[in-house]
Amino acid sequence: KAGVTQTPRYLIKTRGQQVTLSCSPISGHRSVSWYQQTPGQGLQFLFEYFSETQRNKGNFPGRFSGRQFSNSRSEMNVSTLELGDSALYLCASSFRGENNEQFFGPGTRLTVL
Amino acid sequence: GIQVEQSPPDLILQEGANSTLRCNFSDSVNNLQWFHQNPWGQLINLFYIPSGTKQNGRLSATTVATERYSLLYISSSQTTDSGVYFCAVHTHPNAGNNRKLIWGLGTSLAVNP
Repeated sequence: KAGVTQTPRYLIKTRGQQVTLSCSPISGHRSVSWYQQTPGQGLQFLFEYFSETQRNKGNFPGRFSGRQFSNSRSEMNVSTLELGDSALYLCASSFRGENNEQFFGPGTRLTVL
Repeated sequence: GIQVEQSPPDLILQEGANSTLRCNFSDSVNNLQWFHQNPWGQLINLFYIPSGTKQNGRLSATTVATERYSLLYISSSQTTDSGVYFCAVHTHPNAGNNRKLIWGLGTSLAVNP
């Protein structure tokens, strides 16, 4: 069974631009969660989607948004990029979210110049 | 909210040595996962362990939920064990919309040849 895939793997943007990241979960998994990882803050929860609905949200500004499609693939979007948005963005897939085991993709490393 | 503390924060070992990593959590949790993050950023699932002991090769984990801690044992360490080890807890269903993974800050392990 294929694992979680994330595209692109690396991205360089400039301040003020926007970016869209994609995550394809493990086949059969309906929950996708997004995390931001930075050296100073560790792993921070962004949001979780289940069956195309945002079920949970972390403490991030409205510039961070996401969605999930009927095939469970998810995208997250960051508008008006700031230097502080430079981070590793990780996507996790699980069968139903909540208490289920989470499996992570390889991440997208975003650099904002 | 739940606090997750990992110790030690940093660890340096000679190849072949054994080590124990600890994860303490401040409240009852529904489940717990251990991850290894390799130097490329990939989070690899090690254990999904709400209680008891599990073993996988040179690694084993024990969670004592009633005492709110989990231990990860690494025996006969190898250079490929280097990286960061994270503990993450699944919050209890009573957390309602705050159900999510709560992360420790990790233990950074360097195994020298």
